[in-house]
Amino acid sequence: AQKVTQAQTEISVVEKEDVTLDCVYETRDTTYYLFWYKQPPSGELVFLIRRNSFDEQNEISGRYSWNFQKSTSSFNFTITASQVVDSAVYFCALSGPMFSGGYNKLIFGAGTRLAVHP
Amino acid sequence: DSGVTQTPKHLITATGQRVTLRCSPRSGDLSVYWYQQSLDQGLQFLIQYYNGEERAKGNILERFSAQQFPDLHSELNLSSLELGDSALYFCASSVGGREGDTQYFGPGTRLTVL
Repeated sequence: AQKVTQAQTEISVVEKEDVTLDCVYETRDTTYYLFWYKQPPSGELVFLIRRNSFDEQNEISGRYSWNFQKSTSSFNFTITASQVVDSAVYFCALSGPMFSGGYNKLIFGAGTRLAVHP
Repeated sequence: DSGVTQTPKHLITATGQRVTLRCSPRSGDLSVYWYQQSLDQGLQFLIQYYNGEERAKGNILERFSAQQFPDLHSELNLSSLELGDSALYFCASSVGGREGDTQYFGPGTRLTVL
């Protein structure tokens, strides 16, 4: 079965702290895609990153970085020097041919609510 | 701004009623998706359209239906509404409709059924 687990329901940090959001996935596909989305208090879902299963290179974008490890089926997201504007719910999502039947359903984790305090 | 638009932003209605949610995809995107976000179920895929044709169905109730029009905008129709249908409904779009295509989400329509 395909599944995404975000075990951390809520995380609270003080500004400038580094924080890592965990994402563990299950799939029998050899080709699959992982995503992170951000949902700020305003409610919209904002795309952050897409990674395919053949690309295990870590990625950095400004204060954001992602660590993809197939060996542990994890795709973790780190925010360095967190800021109040990072306060949001963050979702990890999975798409793959076995789950989606060749189409593009996303299966989401339950989300992690991050609160960054000044 | 993702480029995906949804109307209305908020909708308040009564049980038993019917509503229509509207979505316009990003320019150039052929595929449209609908998702429901509720407190108990989280984010759930409902249905996908590609260039006017239904591509995939998820956990969509029989009381719900959708379509994608020739101009590629999409509508989600919810009928015989129940209290449990109260949720945030998202539309997303992608260039193609294959697995892995990045989906860009609209701002959502918050439906409240009283």
